[in-house]
Amino acid sequence: SQTIHQWPATLVQPVGSPLSLECTVEGTSNPNLYWYRQAAGRGLQLLFYSVGIGQISSEVPQNLSASRPQDRQFILSSKKLLLSDSGFYLCAWSPGVLTGELFFGEGSRLTVL
Amino acid sequence: GQSLEQPSEVTAVEGAIVQINCTYQTSGFYGLSWYQQHDGGAPTFLSYNALDGLEETGRFSSFLSRSDSYGYLLLQELQMKDSASYFCAVRDPNYGQNFVFGPGTRLSVLP
Repeated sequence: SQTIHQWPATLVQPVGSPLSLECTVEGTSNPNLYWYRQAAGRGLQLLFYSVGIGQISSEVPQNLSASRPQDRQFILSSKKLLLSDSGFYLCAWSPGVLTGELFFGEGSRLTVL
Repeated sequence: GQSLEQPSEVTAVEGAIVQINCTYQTSGFYGLSWYQQHDGGAPTFLSYNALDGLEETGRFSSFLSRSDSYGYLLLQELQMKDSASYFCAVRDPNYGQNFVFGPGTRLSVLP
């Protein structure tokens, strides 16, 4: 069966510090991968998506970046965090184009102080 | 652009039936999905409708009308554990491989 994991689960970072969140999917190949952000009590904002290794599309201009160094690995990074980067970050995968299923990792709660 | 609308809050009592509506405006449309999210947790997939009609999965059912750009999630025999936020989402082929989410509906189930 397929599983998705992301880490760390919780982190508190000072403004201006770097960020790295990692996500891996197991049990499938060539998944579509996504990073979403959710502010408290709000909906999900798509940040990045990837349909293959090295293929990254950005939806929101910001100080975040994403990389997909391996088929089932997706990394969210920042060189310098802003206060507004605080939120709940969710990695997700989808099996293909013509499916409506999106499967989420456990989430990473980031607080920038 | 893409937009989805849902009621912000719904309240019901245990054992009741509740319907959460979703209307969407997208340039393209593959289908409508529903997700459940408990406080502090990640969303979990509930159902997907690509064609018009009703899909039933246990206590949950989901309906889609493509001509009306409308769908709903129906929860029957409500239980306290159903208290959560529910999101509809559209997969828009004109928007890459992306899922566009609605703002979410907070369901509170009262004893």
